[in-house]
Amino acid sequence: NAGVMQNPRHLVRRRGQEARLRCSPMKGHSHVYWYRQLPEEGLKFMVYLQKENIIDESGMPKERFSAEFPKEGPSILRIQQVVRGDSAAYFCASSLLAASGSYTEAFFGQGTRLTVV
Amino acid sequence: KNEVEQSPQNLTAQEGEFITINCSYSVGISALHWLQQHPGGGIVSLFMLSSGKKKHGRLIATINIQEKHSSLHITASHPRDSAVYICAVIPPGNQFYFGTGTSLTVIP
Repeated sequence: NAGVMQNPRHLVRRRGQEARLRCSPMKGHSHVYWYRQLPEEGLKFMVYLQKENIIDESGMPKERFSAEFPKEGPSILRIQQVVRGDSAAYFCASSLLAASGSYTEAFFGQGTRLTVV
Repeated sequence: KNEVEQSPQNLTAQEGEFITINCSYSVGISALHWLQQHPGGGIVSLFMLSSGKKKHGRLIATINIQEKHSSLHITASHPRDSAVYICAVIPPGNQFYFGTGTSLTVIP
């Protein structure tokens, strides 16, 4: 059972281009979390999704950023018209949904390091 | 205001020393993770705790829910333990709040 897979591991984009980051959760996991680590800063929550539904996007910037987790395929974090300030490491994690709806242990990916030039 | 406070921010230890990293939080939580991140690397969850104490090899994690405090201990530290250790709390609703991390360097 592969762990949480993120690709690409490294992504370079010019200012104004679009960045698409993919996260394949662990097999059987229905919940995905995205968070961002800016240079020299800590991790910040961005968005929490289950399949075909955004549960909490309170950490997402209001413009240019969007996330989805379709019924089939990986979760995608999309950044439109990237700017230098978007350069960061983007991590995702996945978890199961407990029968009670409560939190179950999340497993983390290796991250995608986005550099905007 | 940070929901999660870690201390110390930086820590240098001699190989073999006993190390403690502390985490205090201000929100009610469902669980707490201790995470490890090597430079340029991914994030590994060392522990998930909701009460009491857990031990994996040389690592021990404790949590006191009433005091909203957790500690990560490393016994007989080794240079390969050098990494950033991050405390993450999960309130009901499943969002993550992260501490700023403790950068540990273990010198041979």
